[in-house]
Amino acid sequence: GESVGLHLPTLSVQEGDNSIINCAYSNSASDYFIWYKQESGKGPQFIIDIRSNMDKRQGQRVTVLLNKTVKHLSLQIAATQPGDSAVYFCAENPRTGGFKTIFGAGTRLFVKA
Amino acid sequence: DGGITQSPKYLFRKEGQNVTLSCEQNLNHDAMYWYRQDPGQGLRLIYYSQIVNDFQKGDIAEGYSVSREKKESFPLTVTSAQKNPTAFYLCASSIELSSGNTIYFGEGSWLTVV
Repeated sequence: GESVGLHLPTLSVQEGDNSIINCAYSNSASDYFIWYKQESGKGPQFIIDIRSNMDKRQGQRVTVLLNKTVKHLSLQIAATQPGDSAVYFCAENPRTGGFKTIFGAGTRLFVKA
Repeated sequence: DGGITQSPKYLFRKEGQNVTLSCEQNLNHDAMYWYRQDPGQGLRLIYYSQIVNDFQKGDIAEGYSVSREKKESFPLTVTSAQKNPTAFYLCASSIELSSGNTIYFGEGSWLTVV
């Protein structure tokens, strides 16, 4: 199928290695953050979220780290598998200004077998 | 299974033609959204709806229209006034329209102008 994000930053990792995908968010008033995975030609899938009162949250093989001081978010994927190949993007939800979620353009992850 | 269903997956539009993208959700969510995705860019909000019979323009509403006659349904019409409609369109929903609610997406619809 067609792919979106043709000019995105890319990260290439070996199968079995850990992956770290970074995101700089824009609004210091954001208090809710989400990571999504988007496979080629498909809609984004929710992976994990974190609120601003936390600095780390773990899921199954994934960990999200939040550094509010430098407005930085990262997604760590343990033991990366070929099925993890996709575009990953972060989203931030400002505390003020209502509900509008701001989405990053994303990073394309390639997993080499 | 609960989810968001978009149709058609692929749609071709001729110049001057209006086309409608369907979006149905069975998650019992109040809020629904339409986003446009272009290569190398983040999602951009077209329209959103907080509740039945209510909808508001997003950041790029020109050339688009929506309706929300039922809680489950939020169709998007791409009118002939939209000059650059070729894109991937994503419908989404959340429990309610407020900060801190996760947005869930459908599988998307590809629209191409021919």
